[in-house]
Amino acid sequence: SYVLTQPPSVSVAPGKTARITCGGNNIGSKSVHWYQQKPGQAPVLVIYYDSDRPSGIPERFSGSNSGNTATLTISRVEAGDEADYYCQVWDSSSDPHVVFGGGTKLTVL
Amino acid sequence: QVQLVQSGAEVKKPGASVKVSCKASGYTFTSYGISWVRQAPGQGLEWMGWISAYNGNTNYAQKLQGRVTMTTDTSTSTAYMELRSLRSDDTAVYYCARVSRDGEGWFDPWGQGTLVTVSS
Repeated sequence: SYVLTQPPSVSVAPGKTARITCGGNNIGSKSVHWYQQKPGQAPVLVIYYDSDRPSGIPERFSGSNSGNTATLTISRVEAGDEADYYCQVWDSSSDPHVVFGGGTKLTVL
Repeated sequence: QVQLVQSGAEVKKPGASVKVSCKASGYTFTSYGISWVRQAPGQGLEWMGWISAYNGNTNYAQKLQGRVTMTTDTSTSTAYMELRSLRSDDTAVYYCARVSRDGEGWFDPWGQGTLVTVSS
């Protein structure tokens, strides 16, 4: 099955930029989606199709995808951005078809 | 607004079955699919499978084949996930999420989650 690798944790000071990576074999050829999950809450979509933002998601959230790494970038980080972040792809040749990364805990210092 | 509302928490004994519901509103139910994702305590997200609300097609994760069944009731815009032969490691929060009609792509929105506890 296809494997997505995320760092377990990322720490950043308020106002700085956080970058959360998602590694996978030739992930640049796939569409990557990102979710934010706060404690006790359901996940929320923050980026789809590598870099598109759903309505209501701040412009501070952006994404990129190339080669073997996709990246979620959060600019001007705020305390409210502290959460777990998951990347996800759909791969018809894999079982399961839907794969999530292991998740990254973003800590705002 | 688009919304998915799930049924309440369940406590089951090992070997029993559980059926979780997910009622959709705010969109045309049959134009999309529903995926089910679970999250064990303190763990990450695990995709369980998908059902098309358009034609009832399903695709289940291999590890759950034979134990899981996903269905829909288009008359009430409700999706169901039944998991049988429950084990302690099935203890998790179970989420439904809207997905494209063919199951590809992203999940948005998600239901609020249903905690299923398996304990003797």
